[in-house]
Amino acid sequence: EPEVTQTPSHQVTQMGQEVILRCVPISNHLYFYWYRQILGQKVEFLVSFYNNEISEKSEIFDDQFSVERPDGSNFTLKIRSTKLEDSAMYFCASKRTANTGELFFGEGSRLTVL
Amino acid sequence: DAKTTQPPSMDCAEGRAANLPCNHSTISGNEYVYWYRQIHSQGPQYIIHGLKNNETNEMASLIITEDRKSSTLILPHATLRDTAVYYCIVRVEGVGNAGNMLTFGGGTRLMVKP
Repeated sequence: EPEVTQTPSHQVTQMGQEVILRCVPISNHLYFYWYRQILGQKVEFLVSFYNNEISEKSEIFDDQFSVERPDGSNFTLKIRSTKLEDSAMYFCASKRTANTGELFFGEGSRLTVL
Repeated sequence: DAKTTQPPSMDCAEGRAANLPCNHSTISGNEYVYWYRQIHSQGPQYIIHGLKNNETNEMASLIITEDRKSSTLILPHATLRDTAVYYCIVRVEGVGNAGNMLTFGGGTRLMVKP
């Protein structure tokens, strides 16, 4: 069964460093998402992406965050200058069509900022 | 999207049916009810969704009341592997909401016990 894959599974970084989290969505999917979950808290929406541009973003997704799909397969989330409060699980998700709420999530990338 | 209310936790005996309730009293006519679950810290997993008719798939059944103000997710024969947080989400469907993200609440933590 096709799945969304994410790398790395765990990254430890120093505060202020740049981090790139990578995702390979399911191959025929067109809509892509990043969510995050701080330990013990809710799953929070960050950003949605379609047709090579951001469709929607939350207040969390400030100027420190960016997304891109550089090569038609990978979908990346970049955090320019990490803060302690960026420590969380980051989940990538994708879906095939607009008219569905059935998202396929990856297993997540755990980011620890020291 | 309409708000949902779920009990924070429930227990279920292994092999018995798990019935997880959700209230969505402000749901509007074009909003679907979606259920996801999150096992430990893995990515959320889609279970089932419906508009007004009851739905069944290989994972679960979804019973939506006639007034659509509440629903119940039924896991017919719960196993230990069904221990997870279950999220009830109400979402508008339709063309033009490609970026319409899912909003996760606190969910119900289901503990399946031997």
